[in-house]
Amino acid sequence: EPEVTQTPSHQVTQMGQEVILRCVPISNHLYFYWYRQILGQKVEFLVSFYNNEISEKSEIFDDQFSVERPDGSNFTLKIRSTKLEDSAMYFCASSYRGFLGMNTEAFFGQGTRLTVV
Amino acid sequence: AQSVAQPEDQVNVAEGNPLTVKCTYSVSGNPYLFWYVQYPNRGLQFLLKYITGDNLVKGSYGFEAEFNKSQTSFHLKKPSALVSDSALYFCAVRARNYGGATNKLIFGTGTLLAIQP
Repeated sequence: EPEVTQTPSHQVTQMGQEVILRCVPISNHLYFYWYRQILGQKVEFLVSFYNNEISEKSEIFDDQFSVERPDGSNFTLKIRSTKLEDSAMYFCASSYRGFLGMNTEAFFGQGTRLTVV
Repeated sequence: AQSVAQPEDQVNVAEGNPLTVKCTYSVSGNPYLFWYVQYPNRGLQFLLKYITGDNLVKGSYGFEAEFNKSQTSFHLKKPSALVSDSALYFCAVRARNYGGATNKLIFGTGTLLAIQP
C-alpha cells in the first residue's frame, strides 16, 4: 500500500540552526501539507501546497518557515533559524485532491520528531 | 471559532464490548469530518470520513461513525472492541472560509482508547 515517508524520524538541532525535514508524498497525489504537534498539544496545520505554490498557510507559518518541492518526488519543510518552541513532531501529508469531491482525505507520514536544544 | 472537541482524554473498554469515542465540532456550513488513528511510533492513519449522504459511515478495521447534525457530533463506534484497537484517535474537521471548504484540517486533542483483554 502506498504511503507517505518522512526522514529523518528524529532530528536534534541547536537553537539558531537551520533544519530541513524531508517527505516523499504518495506518488500520484497533488496536494501536500505540513502539520505539527507540540508534545501534549493538538495537531496543528502549518501549510498546504499545490501546483508548486503555497495554497494556504497558518499564522504559525511565518518567515522562518519555507516549503519546497525540489523534484518530482520530495516535499521539504525548512526552518531557517530554529527556536526552542519549534520542538515538536512534524507530520507531512498528501492527498489526491483538495477539498472538493472524493479522494480528498489526507494520508500522513510517521512524523519527524524535532528537538531544538 | 471553528473547533473540534474530544471530551474524553481516555476511554477504557473491555475486549468484546462496544466502544464509542466522542467528537463534537463547530464549523459553519456543511462539515467535512474525519477520524484518524495513531499507533505508537506511527503516523496518523485515515479511518473514515463524512462528506455527504448517509449519516452512518463505515471505515477501516470495522469502525463506523455517525454524523448527527443537530448535535454537531461525529462519534466513532465499533460493535466489538479488540485489544489491537488500542491507540490514539483523532477527530478532525475541514476548516471553512467565506469561499467554502479549505484544505486545512482542524484536529481535536485526541482520545486514548485502551482495550482491556
